[in-house]
Amino acid sequence: EPEVTQTPSHQVTQMGQEVILHCVPISNHLYFYWYRQILGQKVEFLVSFYNNEISEKSEIFDDQFSVERPDGSNFTLKIRSTKLEDSAMYFCASTGLAGSYNEQFFGPGTRLTVL
Amino acid sequence: GQQLNQSPQSMFIQEGEDVSMNCTSSSIFNTWLWYKQEPGEGPVLLIALYKAGELTSNGRLTAQFGITRKDSFLNISASIPSDVGIYFCAGPGLSGTASKLTFGTGTRLQVTL
Repeated sequence: EPEVTQTPSHQVTQMGQEVILHCVPISNHLYFYWYRQILGQKVEFLVSFYNNEISEKSEIFDDQFSVERPDGSNFTLKIRSTKLEDSAMYFCASTGLAGSYNEQFFGPGTRLTVL
Repeated sequence: GQQLNQSPQSMFIQEGEDVSMNCTSSSIFNTWLWYKQEPGEGPVLLIALYKAGELTSNGRLTAQFGITRKDSFLNISASIPSDVGIYFCAGPGLSGTASKLTFGTGTRLQVTL
C-alpha cells in the first residue's frame, strides 16, 4: 500500500543551525502538508502546498520556515535558524482524490532535537 | 480558531472491554476524521465521516458524525492490547478543498491484560 515516507527519522542540531526535513508524499497525491507535534501535545498545522505554492500557513510558520518541492517526488521543510522551541516531531502528510481531498495520510515523522 | 476537545483525556481498561470516546467542537465541521497514533509514529487514519448522522464501521471500530455537526464519537468493541495508543479526532477547515486539519486534544488508551 502506498505510504508517505520521511527522512531522517531523528535529527539533532545546534541552536541557530539550518535543518532540512525530507518527505516523499504518496505518488499520485496533489496536496502536501507539514504538521508538528511538541512532546505530549496535539498535532498542529504548519503549512499546506499545492501546485508549487503555499496555499495556507499557520502563525507558527514564520520567516524562518520554508517549503519546497524540488522535483516530482520530494517535499522539504527548511528551518533556517533553529531555536530550542522548534524541538518537536514534524509530520508530512498528503492527500489525493479519496474523500474529496479531506483524507490526509501522514508519514512516520522526523523527531527534531535542538540543543 | 476552531477547537476540538476530546474526552476522556485518558482511559485504562481491561482487554475485552468496550471503549467509547468523544470529540466536541466549538464550530461546525463538514467532515470528521479519526486517527490513531502509537508512540514515535505518525497518525494513522481509522475512519472518515462525511454526513451528519452517519455511522461508519471499520472492523471493531465504529464512529458517528453528530447531528449538530459539532461532535463525533468513536467506539472500540472488545479491546485488545494492540489498541493502545492516542486517538485523535480531526476536522478540515471550511475554507475549501483540502484544507488544513485541526486536531483534537486526544484520548490516551491503555489496555491491560
